[in-house]
This record gives sequence, C-alpha cells and structure tokens, in this order.
Amino acid sequence: AQSVTQPDIHITVSEGASLELRCNYSYGATPYLFWYVQSPGQGLQLLLKYFSGDTLVQGIKGFEAEFKRSQSSFNLRKPSVHWSDAAEYFCAVAPRSGTYKYIFGTGTRLKVLA
Amino acid sequence: DVKVTQSSRYLVKRTGEKVFLECVQDMDHENMFWYRQDPGLGLRLIYFSYDVKMKEKGDIPEGYSVSREKKERFSLILESASTNQTSMYLCASSLGQGALEQYFGPGTRLTVT
Repeated sequence: AQSVTQPDIHITVSEGASLELRCNYSYGATPYLFWYVQSPGQGLQLLLKYFSGDTLVQGIKGFEAEFKRSQSSFNLRKPSVHWSDAAEYFCAVAPRSGTYKYIFGTGTRLKVLA
Repeated sequence: DVKVTQSSRYLVKRTGEKVFLECVQDMDHENMFWYRQDPGLGLRLIYFSYDVKMKEKGDIPEGYSVSREKKERFSLILESASTNQTSMYLCASSLGQGALEQYFGPGTRLTVT
C-alpha cells in the first residue's frame, strides 16, 4: 500500500541547533515529493518540492531536503533553527501521472527552545 | 500571491444540522480539494474537483458531499453533522494538470456538539 511515514511525532531542538526531520515513503514508482509547514492556526505552506534532477533541493526559509531513492527517503534539514520555525511539518507524495491525490504523512511537530 | 479563503475560522454546530463550509480561490485554479486534519492522522482527502461541476471522492467521503458551481468556489456539505465530524477542515487549490503544488486556506475548525 502507498504510504508516507514520519517517524517522529515531536522533536525539540534549541535555537541555533541543526534540524533533520525524517520522511520515508512506500510507493510503486518514484513519486513527486513535498514538504509543507503549518504554523499555529494557519493553513499549510509549501517549503520545497522534488520532481527530478538534483537530489538536494533548496526551499524557502533556509530549508533543504535530500531525496535518496535507495532509502525511499526525503528528509528535511536546516543548519540553524530559529524560534519562528516552531510549527508542524508534513511530508507528502503525489503520483507522476493520473490523479492529483497527495498522500500526507502524519506530521512532525517541532518545538524550539530559546 | 494565490489566495485561498475559507468562510469561517471557527464553527460550532449541533448534531443533525446541515453544515456548509465554503472555500474560494482567486487564481483561476482548475483543481480544488477538501481535507480533514486530525491529530496523529495527518491530512486525509475528502473530495476533490478538477473542473466545474466535476468531483471525485477522496479517501474519506462518507458523510460528506461537495458542490462546485463556479470555478473559484468549492463547498463542502455535511448533510447531517455528527460528533465524529468534529475536526479541522482545510481547503486547497492547484493549477491544471501537471501543476501539483497545492495552495491551502487557513482552515475551519468545526465542533459538532
């Protein structure tokens, strides 16, 4: 079955520390890959996406993600976390053809300590 | 910037009431989506529409219906609200085929008592 797994429900980091949020997917073929962020009381905002090409993708707010086909992973990273990064992060996949349906992970809630 | 607006941020309804959640996008997008967001479950697709008057069921359509009479507006209808429909509802839109980035509204937190 197609699925997206975010194994960490909660992560706490200190401001200025590095961050890595994990995402693994199970899919028949390499899908399109996305990371979204949801700040408290807000909708989701796209951070970055991977369609093809360079497996290291740069996004907004200083985030990057690396696609590793062999591990079916698309982990999100940031070298130095800011207090404003506290939010919930969702990994999502979508098929390269056919329907427009995303499959979302269950989310990782990030807490940032001052 | 693409803007997706939802008619209410918070809504409280009674069991058995008919509930309408409205979503409007201002960027002429073909595709519109309704999701339900619950803690620990992520986002689950209820319905989506790829054209006016066209709709397809998502993963959890039971107890819901939708209407899309105009391109910019997509309504979610709870025919007879139940307490297990208490949730956050998110609307999203995206441009035509192949343009997969979805733009989300701020959400409606619905409580059914």
